[in-house]
Amino acid sequence: ETGVTQTPRHLVMGMTNKKSLKCEQHLGHNAMYWYKQSAKKPLELMFVYSLEERVENNSVPSRFSPECPNSSHLFLHLHTLQPEDSALYLCASSQERTEQRYGYTFGSGTRLTVV
Amino acid sequence: ILNVEQSPQSLHVQEGDSTNFTCSFPSSNFYALHWYRWETAKSPEALFVMTLNGDEKKKGRISATLNTKEGYSYLYIKGSQPEDSATYLCARNMEYGNKLVFGAGTILRVKS
Repeated sequence: ETGVTQTPRHLVMGMTNKKSLKCEQHLGHNAMYWYKQSAKKPLELMFVYSLEERVENNSVPSRFSPECPNSSHLFLHLHTLQPEDSALYLCASSQERTEQRYGYTFGSGTRLTVV
Repeated sequence: ILNVEQSPQSLHVQEGDSTNFTCSFPSSNFYALHWYRWETAKSPEALFVMTLNGDEKKKGRISATLNTKEGYSYLYIKGSQPEDSATYLCARNMEYGNKLVFGAGTILRVKS
């Protein structure tokens, strides 16, 4: 248990489905992140929420829609995905302060397969 | 996007060997450099966050150094054990906030 919980662990969805990924942290962190890892590629930043406000949308297609209802929860809503969106989606949280840098605490990820 | 490069891509060593790998990054506008260990089927785990040129950090048999002027960091593992087998990621802080840009990782396999 890392302190960041992601559900589901595995998800298979059709291209016309709508699904959501959930991330939850109870570490008192004030920033949460979605990262994507495709095969043979580095982790790619998708979205950042700081103090529940989205501060980064890293040119992610609109078929991915994040939501951060409070500082402990983060969702990634998925609709009309493409097979190339199949990847590992990782959630992370951290304590963000301008004067210091802190490591991330990651969840275990959701392995998404789009068929 | 500021590229972070890691080498080698993978490494196979025998138990007891010491090993090291490299993380290279643009040296301009440096804020911090992170190292993570990612074991198969687990979450990436933070090892070190380094901010100052010449920083050295140590955690058990693992240590890291930082050279911000030339843009590189080394991770050392002394006396590798099979449980050290993992992917080691480095990441650089962007210019503001705590957003990280990750390298592709070095895969370490330690054979007993």
